[in-house]
Amino acid sequence: GQQLNQSPQSMFIQEGEDVSMNCTSSSIFNTWLWYKQDPGEGPVLLIALYKAGELTSNGRLTAQFGITRKDSFLNISASIPSDVGIYFCAGRNSGNTPLVFGKGTRLSVIA
Amino acid sequence: GAVVSQHPSWVICKSGTSVKIECRSLDFQATTMFWYRQFPKQSLMLMATSNEGSKATYEQGVEKDKFLINHASLTLSTLTVTSAHPEDSSFYICSARDPYRGRPLVGGYTFGSGTRLTVV
Repeated sequence: GQQLNQSPQSMFIQEGEDVSMNCTSSSIFNTWLWYKQDPGEGPVLLIALYKAGELTSNGRLTAQFGITRKDSFLNISASIPSDVGIYFCAGRNSGNTPLVFGKGTRLSVIA
Repeated sequence: GAVVSQHPSWVICKSGTSVKIECRSLDFQATTMFWYRQFPKQSLMLMATSNEGSKATYEQGVEKDKFLINHASLTLSTLTVTSAHPEDSSFYICSARDPYRGRPLVGGYTFGSGTRLTVV
């Protein structure tokens, strides 16, 4: 099935550092979503973006919906140990269509 | 709000047996639910889309006779892995769409906590 290109695949950072990850697609999406998945759990929604150019924050997280509607990025500022996990981007078009997921970015934070 | 309960969280079964996984939307009605499969260190791969009261739509390569999906009510969808084999061992995750959450016409997608299936 269709998948988004998400990078980087993994990151090792020091506590307190900022993190940036992004997703690109060959096709347009109307909605971009960012999820975090902890081991053995389902994904949990972090941020939802609904309009091209939209910049949205949720605490230390900031995400943007690219102008072309083919990309999105997620920034995490001042990382902390509990930020460890896998971050997935997801795109959606309309109706009852399922989400299309990126391959994930595995984040490790070194205290 | 928007809680999706998935059970069991883990199950071990013998080859050849069947396993049923339940996905319930606790505080909303989900006309559409999605079933995903996730292998270690990989992304979620959509298996099927289930709409309440109708047959599920399976993704290419997913055997509908092996992965039976039933969405008999607005709050419950089940995935039954029939005649399970070790290669069916995986993490299965459901997602339910609440059309009244989030932005209009978009809705909210909430995931269950997943089921780890191990076939021995």
